[in-house]
Amino acid sequence: GQNIDQPTEMTATEGAIVQINCTYQTSGFNGLFWYQQHAGEAPTFLSYNVLDGLEEKGRFSSFLSRSKGYSYLLLKELQMKDSASYLCAVASGGSYIPTFGRGTSLIVHP
Amino acid sequence: GAGVSQSPSNKVTEKGKDVELRCDPISGHTALYWYRQSLGQGLEFLIYFQGNSAPDKSGLPSDRFSAERTGGSVSTLTIQRTQQEDSAVYLCASSSTLLGAGDEQYFGPGTRLTVT
Repeated sequence: GQNIDQPTEMTATEGAIVQINCTYQTSGFNGLFWYQQHAGEAPTFLSYNVLDGLEEKGRFSSFLSRSKGYSYLLLKELQMKDSASYLCAVASGGSYIPTFGRGTSLIVHP
Repeated sequence: GAGVSQSPSNKVTEKGKDVELRCDPISGHTALYWYRQSLGQGLEFLIYFQGNSAPDKSGLPSDRFSAERTGGSVSTLTIQRTQQEDSAVYLCASSSTLLGAGDEQYFGPGTRLTVT
């Protein structure tokens, strides 16, 4: 099985930077995904990492260290609309089907 | 183009009744996934279809749950003899291929099931 751990809730200020961490324990790593989910809506894809390092995409960046079983999602220049749940998901073993963590609820306040 | 659609958006049923939830994936997507999301919980994988291959049913929580995919497109998730613990949001997702190359999953809006 897999164990995916991320903080339950975080708060940050509009315009600031926030880092959401995700740690995992798996056998046979096949990639890590980050999704954003606004309340009452479907998750939407943010990023995919399979190699170590930082992937930058606009205001969002995702980092992976496979040896440490660790990833983070970095959100810059926070906007109120970034208030959402951020889901870390890991594919491992013989499967590419992601297993999701419980998500981190991010609250951005003025 | 059209995204993943699901119906109904909300379903309230009495304990013991059967329910059917429908998912229309993005046209041309060969992979289809069902998840459920309970309050405060992560997405729980239920079942996966890929093309004409046998489905991966490893996530189905009991034999009351079943799913089929007709013609490689529309999928129906059936829950028999519903229980209160089945109450959750059921999400369907599709992707163009197996996620080996990091292909993203496109999620539908979900069906909120409430068992009374």
